[in-house]
Amino acid sequence: DGGITQSPKYLFRKEGQNVTLSCEQNLNHDAMYWYRQDPGQGLRLIYYSQIVNDFQKGDIAEGYSVSREKKESFPLTVTSAQKNPTAFYLCASSTTGREVRKAFFGQGTRLTVV
Amino acid sequence: AQKITQTQPGMFVQEKEAVTLDCTYDTSDPSYGLFWYKQPSSGEMIFLIYQGSYDQQNATEGRYSLNFQKARKSANLVISASQLGDSAMYFCAMRAHSGNTPLVFGKGTRLSVIA
Repeated sequence: DGGITQSPKYLFRKEGQNVTLSCEQNLNHDAMYWYRQDPGQGLRLIYYSQIVNDFQKGDIAEGYSVSREKKESFPLTVTSAQKNPTAFYLCASSTTGREVRKAFFGQGTRLTVV
Repeated sequence: AQKITQTQPGMFVQEKEAVTLDCTYDTSDPSYGLFWYKQPSSGEMIFLIYQGSYDQQNATEGRYSLNFQKARKSANLVISASQLGDSAMYFCAMRAHSGNTPLVFGKGTRLSVIA
């Protein structure tokens, strides 16, 4: 079945550590996105990529980094510079162009700093 | 830039009744799309319905309909015949059609369906 796979589902990080969240899609979508969700805040855009080897910062990119070496993969690294990384992280993908371009989402990764 | 406002943090509805979730938006783009997503407690985001800014008719998908009032910049979601399984967070989102811009989300409304 086509879809988006995020792993792991739960992740615990010690303060000062970098951690990488995985996102893989087999929908042949060009665009991929990372969102952060906090209670009462909705979804906020961290980074997005419209094509391989290119990506743009979203509204809250500080303390995060990404890469897009393959069309299928868009990993997110939460660095030690991110002051409050505990949150629910959602990866999404979509087609590009002028059609509807609805976003398909993964199941999410819940990151907790311990 | 686009902005989505959802003013109802929480809503209650009796089972089998209809409920309207409010969404207003702001954009300077002449062509855009409006989306509603459902997020159950499991965390996954489920696409419900889409409305294009130039669509002449309001979108409908089963029990979901979108009350689109372009002049008022509102895109309210109407759920008819509510079911217990409709209890979830609901997010309104939009995207400009130009420039391959990402979806911008509102803060969501938590709907609770009461038996």
